[in-house]
Amino acid sequence: NFMLTQPHSVSESPGKTVTISCTGSSGSIANNYVQWYQQRPGSAPTALIYEDNQRPSGVPDRFSGSVDSSSNSASLSISGLKTEDEADYYCQSYDSRHLWVFGGGTKLTVL
Amino acid sequence: EVQLVEAGGGVVQPGGSLRLSCAASGFTFDNYVMHWVRQAPGKGLEWVSLISGDGGNTYYADSVKGRFTISRDNSRNSKNSLFLQMHSLTTEDTALYFCARADGSGWYLDYWGQGTLVTVSS
Repeated sequence: NFMLTQPHSVSESPGKTVTISCTGSSGSIANNYVQWYQQRPGSAPTALIYEDNQRPSGVPDRFSGSVDSSSNSASLSISGLKTEDEADYYCQSYDSRHLWVFGGGTKLTVL
Repeated sequence: EVQLVEAGGGVVQPGGSLRLSCAASGFTFDNYVMHWVRQAPGKGLEWVSLISGDGGNTYYADSVKGRFTISRDNSRNSKNSLFLQMHSLTTEDTALYFCARADGSGWYLDYWGQGTLVTVSS
């Protein structure tokens, strides 16, 4: 079964840039779009990035997404970190049967 | 304003059944693919199922296939509702169940409800 692997946690200081990775278990992650969601404690997830690198309306350009075929991974970068960015972040894509798959999530701590 | 409001969660014994519903408003319901996503306590998101706008196509995660059925009622009288019928529940199904709308392209979930909690316990 297709899986997306994320680091369990990352931490960085306010104002800095952090990058969260999402690695596909098989095939090429570049064959299907990757999305990213943010989930703050006690709240439903919200979309940050869709179609690898597109931002929904209202998402600041501090958030950016990319895909690297050579490493079979996608990345979410957050620049100019703010304390309000502390949250869980999930990547999402699709398997060969077009079923949706979420990564295990990454807890971001802004120190 | 788009609103998704889930209901139907509760405590059920292992082997039991439960039917979740999601009332949708603020958009043309039958134009959108709808999803159920769940989150076990303290765990990550798990995609459960999706249904096409006309209800003719459905997909399920392997973990629920054969036990869960997704459906929708697009009629005006139904108040635009999404459903998840769950059978043969196990403790592994304990989770907060979110209803979510896929955006027009279908590639991502642009609106989510606040979830309804299902607890499977004896």
